[in-house]
Amino acid sequence: ETGVTQSPTHLIKTRGQQVTLRCSSQSGHNTVSWYQQALGQGPQFIFQYYREEENGRGNFPPRFSGLQFPNYSSELNVNALELDDSALYLCASSASGWDTEAFFGQGTRLTVV
Amino acid sequence: RKEVEQDPGPFNVPEGATVAFNCTYSNSASQSFFWYRQDCRKEPKLLMSVYSSGNEDGRFTAQLNRASQYISLLIRDSKLSDSATYLCVVTRDDKIIFGKGTRLHILP
Repeated sequence: ETGVTQSPTHLIKTRGQQVTLRCSSQSGHNTVSWYQQALGQGPQFIFQYYREEENGRGNFPPRFSGLQFPNYSSELNVNALELDDSALYLCASSASGWDTEAFFGQGTRLTVV
Repeated sequence: RKEVEQDPGPFNVPEGATVAFNCTYSNSASQSFFWYRQDCRKEPKLLMSVYSSGNEDGRFTAQLNRASQYISLLIRDSKLSDSATYLCVVTRDDKIIFGKGTRLHILP
């Protein structure tokens, strides 16, 4: 158990809809990162939040957005869902910085139909 | 070309064998390096950080060669429980880049 929890575990949405995924970080961690993992691929970095501010972003369009709350939990929002957004979405928390161990949640499996 | 490239795999090796994973990264400004392990349908977990001086943890040895932009992971005396996907991870500026991963099957 990493102490990082994600909800929901599975989700089915229709193309064009919007989705919000949630992540509770491990106690004492102020940094949260989000990843998209397609089947057979490594995780792709979406963005990172540090103390409620976005401080890094991968190559994802603006319809992928996020929030971090004062308790360091986080949300990933995806608008105008496309079929290719179907993937496992992973959240990871870390103490701070880019060179500290990241602890992953078990992910949310999103299917867009 | 992807920024982090790993052996395509899968590797099928007998129990007790030594296994070597290779990873190359294209951006010389990369700052930190890690190996993560991911079991089937599970989340990734940190296996080792990688330093230029090399580091060892039991049966696992990781090496970084900054001049060649190359990272390696060696597993000695492999066990059935080592079967998993091994992910090479590099951080740069404000990004974290995962390789595609190399799947390892240890055969009894």
